[in-house]
Amino acid sequence: EAGVTQSPTHLIKTRGQQATLRCSPISGHTSVYWYQQALGLGLQFLLWYDEGEERNRGNFPPRFSGRQFPNYSSELNVNALELEDSALYLCASSPDRITSYEQYFGPGTRLTVT
Amino acid sequence: GQQLNQSPQSMFIQEGEDVSMNCTSSSIFNTWLWYKQDPGEGPVLLIALYKAGELTSNGRLTAQFGITRKDSFLNISASIPSDVGIYFCAGQLWGAQKLVFGQGTRLTINP
Repeated sequence: EAGVTQSPTHLIKTRGQQATLRCSPISGHTSVYWYQQALGLGLQFLLWYDEGEERNRGNFPPRFSGRQFPNYSSELNVNALELEDSALYLCASSPDRITSYEQYFGPGTRLTVT
Repeated sequence: GQQLNQSPQSMFIQEGEDVSMNCTSSSIFNTWLWYKQDPGEGPVLLIALYKAGELTSNGRLTAQFGITRKDSFLNISASIPSDVGIYFCAGQLWGAQKLVFGQGTRLTINP
């Protein structure tokens, strides 16, 4: 069974640009979660999508947004990039919103903002 | 927001030693999970705990869900070089659905 996949692996942008990160959940999983992990820090919850709807968002500004597609894959968009947005962005999936505690992570996208 | 206090922040041990780390909170959790993250990769789920007092093992790893529902510990016995990495606890708050993560414990093993 394939795990959670994310693309791209690395992304380099300049300040003010927009970044788009993609995630494909484990087959059969309907919930997708996005986390930000700044260097040397823990995971900060960003967004949660289930069945195409945003279910919850963390304490991040509105320039962090995303969506979930009918096939349950997801995009995270970060507008007006700032230097402090440089981090590893992790996507996780769970079977559904009831089993949201059972999250499986992808390898992450390393975003560097210069 | 809700926080988990994970300790220690880092550990430097000799190969073969046992390791213990824990997470505490002022809030009640209905699920505790322990993850391991290798450099440049996403966290991998090691153990999931669903009931207060539950003690679960996964090979050399043992974790327990505290009776008060506010804490959990992870033990690693007879550490080996591949145990190196960052260990995160995570909890699902009672009545909530998102996970809250601890700050991580960085484990370094001297051969």
